[in-house]
This record gives sequence, structure tokens and C-alpha cells, in this order.
Amino acid sequence: GESVGLHLPTLSVQEGDNSIINCAYSNSASDYFIWYKQESGKGPQFIIDIRSNMDKRQGQRVTVLLNKTVKHLSLQIAATQPGDSAVYFCAENRGGSYIPTFGRGTSLIVHP
Amino acid sequence: NAGVTQTPKFRVLKTGQSMTLLCAQDMNHEYMYWYRQDPGMGLRLIHYSVGEGTTAKGEVPDGYNVSRLKKQNFLLGLESAAPSQTSVYFCATRWRGRASDTQYFGPGTRLTVL
Repeated sequence: GESVGLHLPTLSVQEGDNSIINCAYSNSASDYFIWYKQESGKGPQFIIDIRSNMDKRQGQRVTVLLNKTVKHLSLQIAATQPGDSAVYFCAENRGGSYIPTFGRGTSLIVHP
Repeated sequence: NAGVTQTPKFRVLKTGQSMTLLCAQDMNHEYMYWYRQDPGMGLRLIHYSVGEGTTAKGEVPDGYNVSRLKKQNFLLGLESAAPSQTSVYFCATRWRGRASDTQYFGPGTRLTVL
């Protein structure tokens, strides 16, 4: 759900469930989108990316969906594991821009 | 291949003290960035560089200075630290190719200003 103040949106799931993390992006001119995973005490790490000429891209246990009509991006994680517990950020890039734009992030908590 | 490294990992300063955070990369990437991350918030861009000898201001540049004298290093300086600068600082490089446009982040520097 929505968060207020300093609290990130949080998604709690049971191990083995599928997780869906959502992101609304801001710039209709953005043409490249990335999902990052940030584990506690570490820097963000690349998970998967997608270009604006695609609607879906699959990786290992992860799928990114892009809906340009409503400027929405989602990350699906299949068979979620405790090691998936982290904060997930989306980022959007626009061709020609030096500065990617990051979302605030969603905290995923996986219960064994 | 170490990727992106940051020095130091932790630091405690008193108000008014100065310090320099070092970011080093061995990937030959042109672009480098400094971000700060505060609890419950996303990454906020402080300064960035699009090549050796260049720097530019980001979203929250006040109180910080940067230098990129060598392509592989990007330094972030705090001339007179303030408690509001207590944060975790991340350096990142960026690779823009035909098929990808991805940032690579360092492990972070946790700074506390008393």
C-alpha cells in the first residue's frame, strides 16, 4: 500500500509465492527502464532491464512488464525465496539524458 | 576486476570537520555519480561527471564539492560537515551501450556527523 513519511511501501509474502512489485514512472519520453535490488547494507544491483519498444522481458525467475499507456512498470518474482528480501527500485532513463530517475523503492519481505 | 569501490566504508565526523570520499572504478566507464540515501527515501543525486575533468550539479549539491581529475576516480568533498549530511553515500558508474544503459554501484560509505 501507500506509505507516509519515512516508511517505504512494503510487500510481505510467504516463501514460494510469486511477488509483484509496481512502479509508476514519470516521463513519457523515457525509453529505457531498469530494476535494481538493494540488500541491507549494500549498494543497488542490476536485476533486469527493458526498452520502451518492448512490453515484457524475462530473466531467471524475474519478469518485467511495461505498460507505456499508463506509465507503469512491474517486476514479477517467481517462487520468492528468503534471499529475495531487499528493497527494489525502478529507474527510468531517457535517451540523451545524463541523469536516470529513481523511484523511492519497495521493501520486499519474504517469510520462510 | 573490483568494479566500483568506495573509501572509507564508515566515518564519524564532528560538525565543521571536512573529509573526502573516494570512489574508484576499473571498468573504464565515462559517467560517474554521487548519491545520498536517507532512511525510507530513494537515491538523491548530489553531483555527477560525464567524463574526466567534468562535473555537474545534481538534485542536492549544496555543501558538497567534487572533482574528477582522473577518469577512474570521482571524489566527493565535504568542506564543513553538518548533521544534515549524515547519510549513506553511494558512488555509481554508468555504461551506455547499444543494448543497455546500466549503473553500477559501490558498496556505500556510511557517514555520521555529530
